[in-house]
Amino acid sequence: NAGVTQTPKFRILKIGQSMTLQCAQDMNHNYMYWYRQDPGMGLKLIYYSVGAGITDKGEVPNGYNVSRSTTEDFPLRLELAAPSQTSVYFCASSHDREIEAFFGQGTRLTVV
Amino acid sequence: DAKTTQPPSMDCAEGRAANLPCNHSTISGNEYVYWYRQIHSQGPQYIIHGLKNNETNEMASLIITEDRKSSTLILPHATLRDTAVYYCIVRVRGGGFKTIFGAGTRLFVKA
Repeated sequence: NAGVTQTPKFRILKIGQSMTLQCAQDMNHNYMYWYRQDPGMGLKLIYYSVGAGITDKGEVPNGYNVSRSTTEDFPLRLELAAPSQTSVYFCASSHDREIEAFFGQGTRLTVV
Repeated sequence: DAKTTQPPSMDCAEGRAANLPCNHSTISGNEYVYWYRQIHSQGPQYIIHGLKNNETNEMASLIITEDRKSSTLILPHATLRDTAVYYCIVRVRGGGFKTIFGAGTRLFVKA
């Protein structure tokens, strides 16, 4: 099993550009999550999903969108990138009855 | 979810036990204590969790006080590779992992 795979690992965006951060898991987990982590800070939940076709907002959803068309994939879309979105983004997944979450290795995004 | 309080940083000598405290005085009866760690900006890694009994696995031990208002994560023989930020999280089991991570404790293991 590869676990949770995130792509790309690094990306530099210009202000106003858009991009999609990819996240895939091969553990057949129902729950998937997107977090962001600013330098020296803890993780903040952006969006989460409890299954294919179901998504909900976390603490900091503004400026982001998600979709969940399959169990495996949970892409995060940034529209009109802003410098405030410079951060490290982590995707995670868990079984719906368990709280042990598996995290990807992160995507480091810089908006200039 | 109950709020947790952890010291911002701690030091530990290599080979010695590292004891990381966590206060969660507002914990409710159905909330579990979870510990994760994050090594050098990698994705967080699950360590251990418990409800009210002490727990041990291959990575660590978790000691929860009888009133459940605080807990301690113990790394029995800390190595340099255990240098990381350790997060204590309290939440209800089941329903998914929606908790917001706090700032955690930065553990420095020194040779």
